[in-house]
Amino acid sequence: EVQMVESGGGLVQPGGSLRLSCSASGFIFSGYSMHWVRQAPGKGLEYVASISSNGENTYYSDSVKDRFTISRDNAKNTLFLQMSSLRAEDTAVHYCVAQGRLGSFGDYWGQGTLVTVSS
Amino acid sequence: QTVVTQEPSLTVSPGGTVTLTCASSTGAVTSGYYPNWFQQKPGQAPRTLIYSTTNKHSWTPARFSGSLLGGKAALTLSGVQPEDEAEYYCLLYYGPTWVFGGGTKLTVL
Repeated sequence: EVQMVESGGGLVQPGGSLRLSCSASGFIFSGYSMHWVRQAPGKGLEYVASISSNGENTYYSDSVKDRFTISRDNAKNTLFLQMSSLRAEDTAVHYCVAQGRLGSFGDYWGQGTLVTVSS
Repeated sequence: QTVVTQEPSLTVSPGGTVTLTCASSTGAVTSGYYPNWFQQKPGQAPRTLIYSTTNKHSWTPARFSGSLLGGKAALTLSGVQPEDEAEYYCLLYYGPTWVFGGGTKLTVL
């Protein structure tokens, strides 16, 4: 059974940092590109970042570029999102998403972890 | 800044047919944008219905289909069921990143 479990969310002050993790099981993690997607309360989905299956290539939306870093540990089947210089508008549920084939963005989705940026 | 546009809301009767569309501010949507469609119900994570324009996952009900229509990506539901009431999002590829549409709230009434 495929499972993707995010963790690391919580309350952080503006300007602070947070590191999200996504632990994956039930599929060959090292063969999948991975993404982070977020959803602000009551709003739509927003693409955040991507990383290639071997971790060599990373891509970011303009809204998080230079503040967030996506990385992965294929030995531990884990995806990360290091978030810094956090702003109120970063408040959202953050989902990890697995892409196993060309053009198929979301073969698997996690259940999400909530990040709240507030003083 | 690239914008992907969907109908904000649509209403369909049970058993009816409805088409949701997904437009790009950069021009006509083609297969090279690898259109994906997702369904999200309240309190749940999204799930993927359609990828690469027309392809279904093993869990995608047969009544859902994807296509290109008039320069847009389209999701058609035929024989709508009450459980299809949900938010639907499209996603387009602007290599190497992706952009979501704003979502369509589908009401089955």
